[in-house]
Amino acid sequence: AQSVTQPDIHITVSEGASLELRCNYSYGATPYLFWYVQSPGQGLQLLLKYFSGDTLVQGIKGFEAEFKRSQSSFNLRKPSVHWSDAAEYFCAVGALTSYGKLTFGQGTILTVHP
Amino acid sequence: GAVVSQHPSRVICKSGTSVKIECRSLDFQATTMFWYRQFPKKSLMLMATSNEGSKATYEQGVEKDKFLINHASLTLSTLTVTSAHPEDSSFYICSAGLQETQYFGPGTRLLVL
Repeated sequence: AQSVTQPDIHITVSEGASLELRCNYSYGATPYLFWYVQSPGQGLQLLLKYFSGDTLVQGIKGFEAEFKRSQSSFNLRKPSVHWSDAAEYFCAVGALTSYGKLTFGQGTILTVHP
Repeated sequence: GAVVSQHPSRVICKSGTSVKIECRSLDFQATTMFWYRQFPKKSLMLMATSNEGSKATYEQGVEKDKFLINHASLTLSTLTVTSAHPEDSSFYICSAGLQETQYFGPGTRLLVL
């Protein structure tokens, strides 16, 4: 069965500092990988996705993620965090064979200090 | 592009009543929509997959008679919580599939008194 692990439940960074949110997955087939962001009381917004090709993908709001097949990881990064980035971040995995269904990680709450 | 709306955004109802939540894809057609439930400080739990023109596929443990799903068109899926009880209070989020990517609605907060 597929699974997604986000090891960090809560991360705190200072505004302007760099950020890396970890995501590890377990999936038998070739995975499709996603990062979503959720502000309190809101739905999920797609930050970026990886299906194939270049393993470093760029997303919205200055985020990027790198797919590392050997480590089964898809970590999200941002070089300089803004206060407005404070939110909860979810990593998700899907596949062509899953008919669009996604498996989500538990989420990482990001707090940004001024 | 790829905007999904939900209505209502918030609803309060009495125990025993039914509540309908609408999910619409505004600028694309979605043959598949998904319904999730999210508990406080928790991840999303997939409830069911809604396919246009056919019966929904429910996840294990989700009562299909309690959570009725209808996907009558390529832009609209509805979730009806029948005979709602306080334990059904939650945040319900829908998503619509487009090219192997799910786009999410803003969610509906349901409070059953």
